[in-house]
Amino acid sequence: DTEVTQTPKHLVMGMTNKKSLKCEQHMGHRAMYWYKQKAKKPPELMFVYSYEKLSINESVPSRFSPECPNSSLLNLHLHALQPEDSALYLCASSQLGGNGYTFGSGTRLTVV
Amino acid sequence: GQNIDQPTEMTATEGAIVQINCTYQTSGFNGLFWYQQHAGEAPTFLSYNVLDGLEEKGRFSSFLSRSKGYSYLLLKELQMKDSASYLCAVTNTNAGKSTFGDGTTLTVKP
Repeated sequence: DTEVTQTPKHLVMGMTNKKSLKCEQHMGHRAMYWYKQKAKKPPELMFVYSYEKLSINESVPSRFSPECPNSSLLNLHLHALQPEDSALYLCASSQLGGNGYTFGSGTRLTVV
Repeated sequence: GQNIDQPTEMTATEGAIVQINCTYQTSGFNGLFWYQQHAGEAPTFLSYNVLDGLEEKGRFSSFLSRSKGYSYLLLKELQMKDSASYLCAVTNTNAGKSTFGDGTTLTVKP
């Protein structure tokens, strides 16, 4: 299995809703990432998990809450989002030590 | 911090060769990646350079000069499907964190 699977592919949520994005990989990668990408912009790093521990939080607002239940799963819990949070949310995984990322297909999030 | 520069747009003809440049300034350099991203899709990994020199993979090659903070992606025998955004990303030693350049939109014309 050489894929990163993200669900759902599309999500529309209101500003008072609570939702979660899910990411799964079975490549044995020990680093997992959340990136946010706005249209015609590069991916922006949000969080990095190494060996299931949060190692980098790029000053992301607390309305985004990551969780890594085990080495194969990564979640992003969403609460009280704003319309400007609408974007493509990409999960990625990699071996530690400077290897390339394998990206999931992303969740396109719209906050209304 | 990191600063990554690449051209915003390039146009080339089907069957031709195109070179996309990337310059960077970073501390704790631990590798440079090139990704391809088609509109509405996730990025896909193309190449990785950590030592100086040229890495070749089929129609795509990538070059790195660490002393100059410079890389390029070379695409040969261009095909229409190569029309996409090409992202240069630099990884530092901090837990594999990669920072992306703004991307170069390549348009391949018949």
